Amino acid sequence: EPEVTQTPSHQVTQMGQEVILRCVPISNHLYFYWYRQILGQKVEFLVSFYNNEISEKSEIFDDQFSVERPDGSNFTLKIRSTKLEDSAMYFCASFSGLRSYEQYFGPGTRLTVT
Amino acid sequence: AQRVTQPEKLLSVFKGAPVELKCNYSYSGSPELFWYVQYSRQRLQLLLRHISRESIKGFTADLNKGETSFHLKKPFAQEEDSAMYYCALRRISSGSARQLTFGSGTQLTVLP
Repeated sequence: EPEVTQTPSHQVTQMGQEVILRCVPISNHLYFYWYRQILGQKVEFLVSFYNNEISEKSEIFDDQFSVERPDGSNFTLKIRSTKLEDSAMYFCASFSGLRSYEQYFGPGTRLTVT
Repeated sequence: AQRVTQPEKLLSVFKGAPVELKCNYSYSGSPELFWYVQYSRQRLQLLLRHISRESIKGFTADLNKGETSFHLKKPFAQEEDSAMYYCALRRISSGSARQLTFGSGTQLTVLP
């Protein structure tokens, strides 16, 4: 069964540095998402991407964040200048767009900002 | 705005006992409801969706629109059911990006 993959599995960075988290969604899916889970808290929606553009974003997704799909397969989340509070598990998900079908999640990238 | 509430952060039951994980939602339209499960060190994976009315691994969940609930039930819990369970809602509206809104999760522990 196809899977969403994410790299790296763990990223440690210093405050103020830029990070790029990478995801390879399922190939025939149309919608792509990033979610975040701060330790001990709920999974929160960050942004959705459809038809090569952002379709929705949450309040968390401020100017420090950006997403792109540079080559038709990878889907990346960039944080320009990381803050301590960006430390979290970041999940990528993809969805075919068909009603009642599920979103498939990647294994997550644990981001630690020191 | 939509909201999903899972009132129990932790739930422990003994093997063979019934289990119910509560989920309530608020949304003015017609939502899709899901249960996702996350076993230790594994990714989030779909357990149930309300629209298919299926039973997976002995779990069932019925959407009660009057009570705006989607509680997850299993008559006889097994140790391998120990995991984090998330209730999630997806809007069905044209133009929606169809992202999921998650509850805070319930950590289920099934004791031997």
